[in-house]
Amino acid sequence: AQSVTQLGSHVSVSEGALVLLRCNYSSSVPPYLFWYVQYPNQGLQLLLKYTSAATLVKGINGFEAEFKKSETSFHLTKPSAHMSDAAEYFCAVSTGANSKLTFGKGITLSVRP
Amino acid sequence: DTGVSQDPRHKITKRGQNVTFRCDPISEHNRLYWYRQTLGQGPEFLTYFQNEAQLEKSRLLSDRFSAERPKGSFSTLEIQRTEQGDSAMYLCASSLVADTEAFFGQGTRLTVV
Repeated sequence: AQSVTQLGSHVSVSEGALVLLRCNYSSSVPPYLFWYVQYPNQGLQLLLKYTSAATLVKGINGFEAEFKKSETSFHLTKPSAHMSDAAEYFCAVSTGANSKLTFGKGITLSVRP
Repeated sequence: DTGVSQDPRHKITKRGQNVTFRCDPISEHNRLYWYRQTLGQGPEFLTYFQNEAQLEKSRLLSDRFSAERPKGSFSTLEIQRTEQGDSAMYLCASSLVADTEAFFGQGTRLTVV
C-alpha cells in the first residue's frame, strides 16, 4: 500500500519569495514520485517526477524537488515565486508497476504581490 | 494530437438519472485511467484499462459505475441512478505502458441536484 501526506492545505508567499511545499510518502516498494499542478477547473499538469534516477529533480516553470529516502520526503521548491504560480499542487506516488497514482490532498499556493 | 479530451466539461443532472462521460486519450497511449476528485481533495483512482481490458477497479467504483473501452481507443464512464455524493470532477488520464507519466484531461465536472 502507498500513501502521501501533504501537511497544511494552504501556503501563502510573497512574489519573489521561496516556495516550499512539503510531501511525505509511504510505500512498501521503491516509489515513483510526482508533483502535479492544477489551475481552477482544469486537469492536472505534471511539474516533475522522480523515477529512481537522480535524487534532485528539475521540472518545468523553475520548480525542483529532492527525493530523500531517509526522510521519506519529496518536497517541492522554487527559489522565487511568481504570481502565475498560484494554483493547487498535488504530490503523488506510484509503484511504477502500472502507474496508478495515489495523491495527497493537495496544497493551495497563494502568491501575494 | 492535442492531448487527452473529455466530454462534456460540465454536466448537471437530477438525482436518479444516468450519466455517461467520454474520454479520448492521446492516440498512441494504450493505458487509460479514470480518477474522481471531490472538492478540496486529491484525485482518487477509480479504474484503468490497458488497451480494451479493464485491469483494476477501486472499491470506490460501486456497482452503479461502469467503465468501458470497447476498441482500446476512447473510454466511457457511466453512472447509473446518480446520487448527490457522486458530485465531483471526473478526470481521465492516459499513458504508454512503458512510461510512468500520465497525461490528464481537463475533466468532467458533475453536479447532481
